[in-house]
Amino acid sequence: DSGVTQTPKHLITATGQRVTLRCSPRSGDLSVYWYQQSLDQGLQFLIQYYNGEERAKGNILERFSAQQFPDLHSELNLSSLELGDSALYFCASSSGRGRTEAFFGQGTRLTVV
Amino acid sequence: GNSVTQMEGPVTLSEEAFLTINCTYTATGYPSLFWYVQYPGEGLQLLLKATKADDKGSNKGFEATYRKETTSFHLEKGSVQVSDSAVYFCALSALTGGGNKLTFGTGTQLKVEL
Repeated sequence: DSGVTQTPKHLITATGQRVTLRCSPRSGDLSVYWYQQSLDQGLQFLIQYYNGEERAKGNILERFSAQQFPDLHSELNLSSLELGDSALYFCASSSGRGRTEAFFGQGTRLTVV
Repeated sequence: GNSVTQMEGPVTLSEEAFLTINCTYTATGYPSLFWYVQYPGEGLQLLLKATKADDKGSNKGFEATYRKETTSFHLEKGSVQVSDSAVYFCALSALTGGGNKLTFGTGTQLKVEL
């Protein structure tokens, strides 16, 4: 158990809809990362937050947004969903200081139908 | 920018065979290097890490040495087991523009057969 909790584990929704994925980081970690894993694109970095502020941005679509709340949990919002958004979405957390490793949650499997 | 290149898979080995998965990187500054493992249906787990040149990370019989001169971090295991079947990701962490995101390779699937 990494200590990172993601909910829900599975999500099935229709095209055009909006969903919210939730992540609780390990106790004491200030930084949260979101990654998308699909068969054809591999593991893609989406965005990083540190103590509530956006720290780094990767290949995140404009239809996607995220935030980190004062209690340090994070949410990833995906809107106007398309079939191609079907993927595993991982959250990871770290101390955020220096070049440290990150610890991953179990992921949310999103299926858009 | 930072990047990680690892060997294509799948790699298929017999039990007790020697494993090498190659990983090379490009980074500005002095990154930390990691190997993660993903078992079917699970998230990524940290397998081992090295934070400076010539450091050797090791865990569960796996080893990797941080080679700055060749910008490499190859994963090795002397005798693989069926339970080692998984996808292995090489990654680096470097400070860039205020963030320290992990950059991953594409992953190498390992299949170990009896």
